[in-house]
Amino acid sequence: AQKVTQAQTEISVVEKEDVTLDCVYETRDTTYYLFWYKQPPSGELVFLIRRNSFDEQNEISGRYSWNFQKSTSSFNFTITASQVVDSAVYFCALREDFQGAQKLVFGQGTRLTINP
Amino acid sequence: DTGVSQDPRHKITKRGQNVTFRCDPISEHNRLYWYRQTLGQGPEFLTYFQNEAQLEKSRLLSDRFSAERPKGSFSTLEIQRTEQGDSAMYLCASSLTTGLHYEQYFGPGTRLTVT
Repeated sequence: AQKVTQAQTEISVVEKEDVTLDCVYETRDTTYYLFWYKQPPSGELVFLIRRNSFDEQNEISGRYSWNFQKSTSSFNFTITASQVVDSAVYFCALREDFQGAQKLVFGQGTRLTINP
Repeated sequence: DTGVSQDPRHKITKRGQNVTFRCDPISEHNRLYWYRQTLGQGPEFLTYFQNEAQLEKSRLLSDRFSAERPKGSFSTLEIQRTEQGDSAMYLCASSLTTGLHYEQYFGPGTRLTVT
């Protein structure tokens, strides 16, 4: 069965520190997609990134970077030089490609607080 | 390009009452999804539509829940005989079907409180 684990329930750091959010997933499928979403206090989930199982290249977008390692079933998210506006709950999610499955399976989320 | 919209944003109801939520997807998106999120948890999948066809339903979607998308545009989610355990945020998302990498874009959610 598919499962996503975000072991860090809450992280609190001081502004400008780097912070890494961990995500570990389980799936029996060989083709799958991994996602990160941000949920600010307003509640709306904001899409950040998608990665498919055949693409293990790391990605950098501004202060955000993602490290995908199939060998450890991990898809970690790093924020460099964090800012107060980065404070939110971050969710990692998995979508299998088995039999046209469409649902996203989310982790429990990591609440990130950036203190000024 | 307007995003996914949901109405109402908040709903307080008494146990046993029926409630209905509406979701308007991004205009060119033909897939529409419903999720439920309880406090401190990640969203859980409920159901999804491709155009007007409901193609998958979670076991979380009990007989008291029904979802429709009559013309393949907006969708409604109705909960009959609400229970306190139904209190949650109900999230709607939409996506395209073209290509293989279609992301789901979420609306702001409807927060339901059952008293």
